[in-house]
Amino acid sequence: AQSVTQLDSHVSVSEGTPVLLRCNYSSSYSPSLFWYVQHPNKGLQLLLKYTSAATLVKGINGFEAEFKKSETSFHLTKPSAHMSDAAEYFCVVSASGGYQKVTFGTGTKLQVIP
Amino acid sequence: GAGVSQSPSNKVTEKGKDVELRCDPISGHTALYWYRQRLGQGLEFLIYFQGNSAPDKSGLPSDRFSAERTGESVSTLTIQRTQQEDSAVYLCASSLMVAGADTQYFGPGTRLTVL
Repeated sequence: AQSVTQLDSHVSVSEGTPVLLRCNYSSSYSPSLFWYVQHPNKGLQLLLKYTSAATLVKGINGFEAEFKKSETSFHLTKPSAHMSDAAEYFCVVSASGGYQKVTFGTGTKLQVIP
Repeated sequence: GAGVSQSPSNKVTEKGKDVELRCDPISGHTALYWYRQRLGQGLEFLIYFQGNSAPDKSGLPSDRFSAERTGESVSTLTIQRTQQEDSAVYLCASSLMVAGADTQYFGPGTRLTVL
């Protein structure tokens, strides 16, 4: 069994300030973890993924996430928010110990204030 | 190359009618997923195909929902006797193979409105 919890449904930051979107997971197997972004009226796009290599993963648009097994977390961060970062972000878990379908979190809407 | 495409982009139908949604995955991708996204909510897994294996239908919400896929190509999601609660965006994704690390590539979705 696996699950993913996105702790905040909405996050609001000022332009130029750091972004933190929180994600906790549970999985019976060593998981693969993903962050996807969905801009308004656009499709889902992969930001980054963790696949049991380096625990600090860098993605597109300056985002990165750190896999912390002890905390079962995979929080998404960015040092400085841009207006174009306003979107909905989904944390996704997929077990790698055998086939398991992916499980999406409920999403976090990021608002960037000018 | 081309990404995942879905058609129609929008569909408005009357309650009780059947609808068929189409997904064209990326060529060579063996895995194909269907999801539903209700307004303001996350993605809800519906069904998954992998090559010629039996599909994982564990996410289908009722027997009104069915899906088919011919080999590793086009898939159709059919909703019979539509209900208003079926209104949502239906997303299709494909990936190269079934494994935990595979990236899913999403189509733009079909927005279904049931009146």
